[in-house]
Amino acid sequence: QSALTQPPSASGSPGQSVTISCTGTSSDVGGYNYVSWYQQHPGKAPKLMIYEVGKRPSGVPDRFSGSKSANTASLTVSGLQAEDEADYYCSSYAGSNKVLFGGGTKLTVL
Amino acid sequence: QVQLVESGGGVVQPGRSLRLSCAASGFTFSSYGMHWVRQAPGKGLEWVAVMSYDGSNTYHADSVKGRFTISRDNSKNTLYLQMNSLRAEDTAVYHCAKVVPGIVAVRGAMDVWGQGTTVTVSS
Repeated sequence: QSALTQPPSASGSPGQSVTISCTGTSSDVGGYNYVSWYQQHPGKAPKLMIYEVGKRPSGVPDRFSGSKSANTASLTVSGLQAEDEADYYCSSYAGSNKVLFGGGTKLTVL
Repeated sequence: QVQLVESGGGVVQPGRSLRLSCAASGFTFSSYGMHWVRQAPGKGLEWVAVMSYDGSNTYHADSVKGRFTISRDNSKNTLYLQMNSLRAEDTAVYHCAKVVPGIVAVRGAMDVWGQGTTVTVSS
């Protein structure tokens, strides 16, 4: 099984919205509603931002939202803020008791 | 507060073994599945293994199957990763992570992460 596909980079100005995609197959992203998104600042541990496609953990701003269509999941960050600049990783249950991560997207706030 | 603290990393020669530990506090450890996830230098996240809350189910990534073993001691609130036959490509920061409530461990997202412990495999 290959890693999920994410764009290497994304960017937006403060206040704008940006969407990061995560493309898999019908055996992972498309087959299950177990897609999650993680934010990682340099030198820090990852932080859960979205789970089960569109659920937000307590404490995560509602500027972060998740969705899925067919084999592609998306993370949208609205009202971009400077502190949103980080690496973002998607993850999905991939069947056969395996978990896949995407390669990561570096989000730059211009 | 909810906390995970990894230990046991270090520099090890190829072919040798190492055991990582993850000490949990601030939550009922015995009620949650747990993952190990690693990150090679400058690279992305890679799932390594998962164990159910009671240790009855364990699953490993193909890249480590047969060499690494996840285990837990609920009486000590500790998760382990036994790593044998280490290779250069196992060099990474290893994080333990707690599974979100109410879901089968292998399908569950990771809602609490430790800072990680660094493993370097080099001769």
